[in-house]
Amino acid sequence: EAQVTQNPRYLITVTGKKLTVTCSQNMNHEYMSWYRQDPGLGLRQIYYSMNVEVTDKGDVPEGYKVSRKEKRNFPLILESPSPNQTSLYFCASSFGDPRTQSTSPLHFGNGTRLTVT
Amino acid sequence: QQPVQSPQAVILREGEDAVINCSSSKALYSVHWYRQKHGEAPVFLMILLKGGEQKGHDKISASFNEKKQQSSLYLTASQLSYSGTYFCGTVQDSNYQLIWGAGTKLIIKP
Repeated sequence: EAQVTQNPRYLITVTGKKLTVTCSQNMNHEYMSWYRQDPGLGLRQIYYSMNVEVTDKGDVPEGYKVSRKEKRNFPLILESPSPNQTSLYFCASSFGDPRTQSTSPLHFGNGTRLTVT
Repeated sequence: QQPVQSPQAVILREGEDAVINCSSSKALYSVHWYRQKHGEAPVFLMILLKGGEQKGHDKISASFNEKKQQSSLYLTASQLSYSGTYFCGTVQDSNYQLIWGAGTKLIIKP
């Protein structure tokens, strides 16, 4: 089954304790992206990647890191989480650039709800 | 720069029609529509490109008026399964950024 898999689904941690949220897709998609979703703000892009070893900042990259060493994986790293990073996180992928290609919709993972205390 | 969606929320009876609007202050290249059910991932509905596109499948359709910098999503004869939050994403002509609206919550009652 074609899917984007995120782990974990729920994560509670303390301020400053490094964590990684994994994201993997099995559709051979070029484009991958991380979003955070907060009430009233919709989806805000954190980082995106057009291909292996190519990553770019989105709208809210501060406090986050990503890497794209393999095409299928795009982990999100919080080196020193803070309470303002408490949010619902989504990983998404698409075949091409969804901004310019109408045939490249985003496929989203099921989300990771992160709480930082 | 975030597109404005209206209404913020709407409650309908099964079988009624709904219109959700998405407006931008910037010139747009495309508009994306997704639906998210509670606790689930957003799911793709359609992408409309500038050129005055209209698209639709089943009873869900959308239009894109690039002059007015706005798009509308039409849900006709709504079903219980249409409940959820609808998000529009707009891609600006100037920088090709994909920016999302805050969402419109649609509740369908039997």
